[in-house]
Amino acid sequence: EVQLVESGGGLVKPGGSLRLSCAASGFSFNTWSMNWVRQAPGKGLEWVSSISASSDFLYYSDSVKGRFTVSRDNARNSLFLQMTSLRADDTAVYFCARGESMICDHWGQGTLVTVSS
Amino acid sequence: DIQLTQSPSSLSASLGDRVSITCRASQNIGMFLNWYQHKPGKAPKLLIYTTSSLQTGVPSRFSGSGSGTDFTLTISSLQPEDFATYYCQQTYSTSASTFGQGTKVEIK
Repeated sequence: EVQLVESGGGLVKPGGSLRLSCAASGFSFNTWSMNWVRQAPGKGLEWVSSISASSDFLYYSDSVKGRFTVSRDNARNSLFLQMTSLRADDTAVYFCARGESMICDHWGQGTLVTVSS
Repeated sequence: DIQLTQSPSSLSASLGDRVSITCRASQNIGMFLNWYQHKPGKAPKLLIYTTSSLQTGVPSRFSGSGSGTDFTLTISSLQPEDFATYYCQQTYSTSASTFGQGTKVEIK
């Protein structure tokens, strides 16, 4: 069974940094592209970032480009999102999702990031 | 950037009703359109990919159609577990993706 478990969320001040992790199991992690998608309170889903299986290709939404960095450790079946220069509008539940070509076929339960002073 | 506009933003329907949700893209996206179901506090669920392909395990009452700029998700007979918010997503662009704003399906 595919399982994705996010962690690392929490309360951070504006301008601060946070690193999210996603632990994957139940599939060959090193053969799949992975994605981050977020949902701000009361809002819809927003695609954030994608990374190819071997980290050759990294993609970001315009809203996070230059501030967020996606990475992965295939030896540890883990996906990461390093978030810097955080703003209030980055407050959201962050989901990791498996999926080629950004089609997300399995999702985690999400981790909440709150940016507030 | 490719924008997706869903309509309606919300709808009320009864059990057994046939429900349709539309998604319009700001440019031609071929058939690179996917649909998700999301319930509060849960992980989103992929229902339909590349316009009309049913994801494994998804009931056949869900179907998708369209091409180019206009797409439709149809639920043939609404069931209690179908009350949720539905999102379309374009994956035409190889370097970025976008979701529609969502359609909330509520009980009448």
